[in-house]
Parts: sequence; structure tokens; C-alpha cells
Amino acid sequence: GDSVTQMEGPVTLSEEAFLTINCTYTATGYPSLFWYVQYPGEGLQLLLKATKADDKGSNKGFEATYRKETTSFHLEKGSVQVSDSAVYFCALSEPGGTSYGKLTFGQGTILTVHP
Amino acid sequence: GAVVSQHPSRVICKSGTSVKIECRSLDFQATTMFWYRQFPKQSLMLMATSNEGSKATYEQGVEKDKFLINHASLTLSTLTVTSAHPEDSSFYICSASAVLAKNIQYFGAGTRLSVL
Repeated sequence: GDSVTQMEGPVTLSEEAFLTINCTYTATGYPSLFWYVQYPGEGLQLLLKATKADDKGSNKGFEATYRKETTSFHLEKGSVQVSDSAVYFCALSEPGGTSYGKLTFGQGTILTVHP
Repeated sequence: GAVVSQHPSRVICKSGTSVKIECRSLDFQATTMFWYRQFPKQSLMLMATSNEGSKATYEQGVEKDKFLINHASLTLSTLTVTSAHPEDSSFYICSASAVLAKNIQYFGAGTRLSVL
């Protein structure tokens, strides 16, 4: 079955540091890939997405590139802020079939940014 | 992005009682709604998928008689935790998607259920 593996956290960084959160996946088809962010006490918000190989999703300074050859979708940000502290989830969705739209999540990575 | 409202945000109940959680898509018609459960410091576990006007599809290991899901309209789905017990205490999150919205899932803010 489909699965998503994220780098284990927690990740602790100083403000303005470079961020990478690794994400790899296994899927039977050609999935869409997502990064969701969950701020404390809140639900998930879609951060960015990519629907096909070599697509780059970007939002709020974060970006991730859909790499089919390495089955990866690593999240990066050049300069993190304290307000980026949250839990980040990588996820995939298979197109078509009975599981259309169903998301498979990674385990989440807690990011803490210190001033 | 689209707005999904989940209510209540927090509920505390006695063991043996039932609790209903509502999930509403405020600005689009959701053809599909999903219900997740999230344990502390863990990922989201999909409980069930519901399509408007049809029975929900439950994931393996989720008791359908325990977690009743109703998707009566294109903007409302409800999850009822029946005869709740302390082990049902968790964070429940819904999401809504629509074909016209490219099947992107938009999430509610979640409901923290505490069963005493």
C-alpha cells in the first residue's frame, strides 16, 4: 500500500536558519504530493502541493519539488521565523479509483524555531 | 482557500454518553468528507470517508457502530461518538473536498474530546 516517511523530529532551529524536512513516499500510481502545517491547537492547513513529477510547490517561502526518480518531496525554507514553529505533515493522494482524494500522511515533524 | 468549520472545538463528557461533532463546508459543496483521529504527537489516522447521500466507508479497525457518520447534505457531515469511553478521548479532525476544487482536502480546526 501507499506510505509516506518523514524525517524524525523534533527539529529545533534558530531564526533565519535553513530548513529541510525530508519526505519520501511509496505509491502504486502517480500520486499528488502535499505538505500540510498544523499550528498548536489548530487543524491542518495546506501549505503547498505538486501534482506531477518535477513540479515545484511553493508558498510563504517554503518550497518542495516532486522528484519521481527518488520518490521524494523534501520541504525547504531558506530562512525560518519563530512563527514557522508548527508540525509539518507530508502526504500523498492517489488519483482515480476508489481511493480518490484519500490522503496518506507521514508521521509529522515538529519544528521549533528559537529567536 | 476554502473554509471548513468544525464544531465544537472542545467537548468534555461523561463516560457512556454520546457526542456529536459537526463539520461544515462554508463556501463550497463538498462531495466527500473525511474524518480523522489524531493521537498526541502522532499522525492523522483516517477513520472513514463519506460521500453525500451514501453510507460512509470505514477504515479497517474502526467500529462503525461506535463512530456514526452522517453526510446528509453537500455542506454538512456529522460524527457521533456513541457511548463514549475514556479511550475515545482524542483530537478528531474533519476535512472536505470537492471534484470542482480539484479534490484538495480542506481541514476543520479539530475537536478535542475528553471523556471522563
